[in-house]
Amino acid sequence: EVQLVESGGGLVKPGGSLRLSCAASGFIFSSYYMYWVRQAPGKGPEWVSCISTSSSYTYYADSVKGRFTISRDNAKNSLYLQMTGLRAEDTAIYYCARDRRQYQPENWFDLWGQGTLVTVSS
Amino acid sequence: DIQMTQSPSSLSASVGDRVTITCRATQDISSWLAWYQQKPGKAPKSLIYAASSLQSGVPSRFSGSVSGTGFTLTISSLQPEDFATYYCQQYHSFPLTFGGGTKVDLK
Repeated sequence: EVQLVESGGGLVKPGGSLRLSCAASGFIFSSYYMYWVRQAPGKGPEWVSCISTSSSYTYYADSVKGRFTISRDNAKNSLYLQMTGLRAEDTAIYYCARDRRQYQPENWFDLWGQGTLVTVSS
Repeated sequence: DIQMTQSPSSLSASVGDRVTITCRATQDISSWLAWYQQKPGKAPKSLIYAASSLQSGVPSRFSGSVSGTGFTLTISSLQPEDFATYYCQQYHSFPLTFGGGTKVDLK
């Protein structure tokens, strides 16, 4: 089955760190650009970060630049998001998502995980 | 950054109604626009890409179009499973941005 499964969310204090993981299965993970998209409670989705197939290129939203790091391990079919300096406004469900097209990205998402909740609160 | 504005933010409709949702961008994004459907507690699901192309497996009652500076998502005959929130997303350039959403509920 083609799927993405996130893990690693939880409750963390402001200023703390967390590492999210996304396990991919059922498709050739190494062929796709991958993304993290988050959604704060009651809000619309917000793109967070993107990584190219070979990790050569990474992109970040200004709101997380310098605090979050996206990475991937193609041998383990896994995507990661290392989050540091967490703030209350980072509270959201974090989804990993796949680009619709192999190798040459289109930058929209045809496959999403179920999401993992990150809560930043003292 | 390109801002995406959806209207209305919510609407009430009945089964069988024709529903139209509009999305506008603050600059020209050509046809680099996708539409998603999201139900409570679930991840978004892709419906339309390239403004008017139907994603595989999506019912043909969903359609997308470009009109002037705006984009439209139309549901030709609303079905019970279509009650949800709909979002547009531009992928013309980074940062990728979404509209604020349109919630479709039962009249």
